[in-house]
Amino acid sequence: DAGVIQSPRHEVTEMGQEVTLRCKPISGHDYLFWYRQTMMRGLELLIYFNNNVPIDDSGMPEDRFSAKMPNASFSTLKIQPSEPRDSAVYFCASSYLGRTTGNTIYFGEGSWLTVV
Amino acid sequence: QKEVEQDPGPLSVPEGAIVSLNCTYSNSAFQYFMWYRQYSRKGPELLMYTYSSGNKEDGRFTAQVDKSSKYISLFIRDSQPSDSATYLCAMSLNTNAGKSTFGDGTTLTVKP
Repeated sequence: DAGVIQSPRHEVTEMGQEVTLRCKPISGHDYLFWYRQTMMRGLELLIYFNNNVPIDDSGMPEDRFSAKMPNASFSTLKIQPSEPRDSAVYFCASSYLGRTTGNTIYFGEGSWLTVV
Repeated sequence: QKEVEQDPGPLSVPEGAIVSLNCTYSNSAFQYFMWYRQYSRKGPELLMYTYSSGNKEDGRFTAQVDKSSKYISLFIRDSQPSDSATYLCAMSLNTNAGKSTFGDGTTLTVKP
């Protein structure tokens, strides 16, 4: 399995521009998570989906952030308009809460966002 | 005060040393305890997973959970340069590990 695939790996954009981050979870996984990691705040859960349905978006910082999961193999995290304080590494992760696999979540390699 | 506090490090040890990484937490409802390893410019990967109190060993790695003290540890024996990474502790209330609360991480360097 190729693992969780994220794109782009690196993005530099100007303040005010729209940013779209993409994620392809591991096939067969029914949970998908979006995280943000910064030096100041560590790793924070932004939103998660179960079977393509958003379950908890309490971590989404502002209305400028939105996430969708139109099907089981694709999700997007959008920031519009972007601000310099959104600069961070954004991770997508997926998991399958099967009885044998328990609690394992698999992270992608991250999308490194810089807003200037 | 953060719900999960992790020794900030950084930690630098010689190859072969025993490493101890530690976290404390305030929420007594946490039931599942994880340790993740994150190499530079990579995503975290699950290293150890423990339910409730006790010890769990996997090769050179031992995870300990003391729920009475709200304290968890990860021990690395015979540390190797390849162990150089950032280690994140994480805790969750239930089996949904994706909703874990993460520590800020301890960066470990093992020098040859």
